[in-house]
Amino acid sequence: GAGVSQSPRYKVTKRGQDVALRCDPISGHVSLYWYRQALGQGPEFLTYFNYEAQQDKSGLPNDRFSAERPEGSISTLTIQRTEQRDSAMYRCASSLVPDRGRGTNEKLFFGSGTQLSVL
Amino acid sequence: RKEVEQDPGPFNVPEGATVAFNCTYSNSASQSFFWYRQDCRKEPKLLMSVYSSGNEDGRFTAQLNRASQYISLLIRDSKLSDSATYLCVVNKGNTGKLIFGQGTTLQVKP
Repeated sequence: GAGVSQSPRYKVTKRGQDVALRCDPISGHVSLYWYRQALGQGPEFLTYFNYEAQQDKSGLPNDRFSAERPEGSISTLTIQRTEQRDSAMYRCASSLVPDRGRGTNEKLFFGSGTQLSVL
Repeated sequence: RKEVEQDPGPFNVPEGATVAFNCTYSNSASQSFFWYRQDCRKEPKLLMSVYSSGNEDGRFTAQLNRASQYISLLIRDSKLSDSATYLCVVNKGNTGKLIFGQGTTLQVKP
């Protein structure tokens, strides 16, 4: 596809269930980021990858959250034993080139997001 | 202290007005600076990168002040279509971690 694709678009789940959110970045994009956004707030950093390597996971709230990108393309964000406080918009973004390790970032392209509701 | 701070506003201005937003960041080693725009319930989109020398794109001007650790966005001749949330984005130190501010909401009135 032409843009970053996220699925599902909406996810409603019951507390205690596990959920997996998928992100398909723009073809050829090296870096992939996950953010969480609450209403009225800016995107909150969760984690990011260069190729298949997870570079920084300091934003993952706790060990119920994990992310992977095994082949350097599609990524999955998994939340285990969901809680109501996990309800938010989860956004994925990709960029063409990595930051080269010196903080010289490139433009991010965002997907439409997955709206997660935990009942 | 938040790593990237913005005044959430809202800023309510009439069409044609000039409006400026500031954003402060805490890590003096940061190298990458951006302004993104986000429309209601949509994904953020890059408005402009911010360079040390400052840069201009039509009615939009971005400035970086490293000494005081802030970046600014100036919008001249505001249009109704400029109504949106403007997000300041800074990388963390010398890493690729990109941190977003809370966003500043702009409402341009007829």
